[in-house]
Amino acid sequence: GNSVTQMEGPVTLSEEAFLTINCTYTATGYPSLFWYVQYPGEGLQLLLKATKADDKGSNKGFEATYRKETTSFHLEKGSVQVSDSAVYFCALPTDSWGKLQFGAGTQVVVTP
Amino acid sequence: DAGVTQSPTHLIKTRGQQVTLRCSPKSGHDTVSWYQQALGQGPQFIFQYYEEEERQRGNFPDRFSGHQFPNYSSELNVNALLLGDSALYLCASSPWRAGGMRDTGELFFGEGSRLTVL
Repeated sequence: GNSVTQMEGPVTLSEEAFLTINCTYTATGYPSLFWYVQYPGEGLQLLLKATKADDKGSNKGFEATYRKETTSFHLEKGSVQVSDSAVYFCALPTDSWGKLQFGAGTQVVVTP
Repeated sequence: DAGVTQSPTHLIKTRGQQVTLRCSPKSGHDTVSWYQQALGQGPQFIFQYYEEEERQRGNFPDRFSGHQFPNYSSELNVNALLLGDSALYLCASSPWRAGGMRDTGELFFGEGSRLTVL
């Protein structure tokens, strides 16, 4: 079935550093791909998505491109802020009814 | 517009007890899903409710059961609690009639109920 694998954390960065979180997927066909973020003490919220190959999702300075050749959906941000400290989850649907398969999550810690 | 609300936010139980967690979906949403998030792990799908019926289920034992009410709110029940049931339980809602996941690709999550089993 559909699955995702993302890099382990924690990732510790200084403010204004470049962030990359790797995510690769295994899927039947070309499902939509998502990045969700979980800030401390909060629920998950959708950060960005891409619905087809070569699509680039973007939000809040984060970007991720749907690469079918490498089955990847890496998350990037050019200049992180302390407020970006959170756990980031790569996810994809396993069916059309809204069931999501999440990666294990990558904790990002940004220091001033 | 209230988002997804869950209660209680924290609770402690002992092995063998039973627990009920509650969820009110975002206004306008009629589909509710429950996920279990163990410490340091990604959320795992438990089940999904639509039109007061369990639409699909993940790999969880029958000790996990649920219910959806006519107002779309939902409950998650866990019987005969085990230490391994300690986790954050997340409720997510989506507007199935509006296309749900296929249109927006977005599930709206509550902040979760953190269950500790001693």
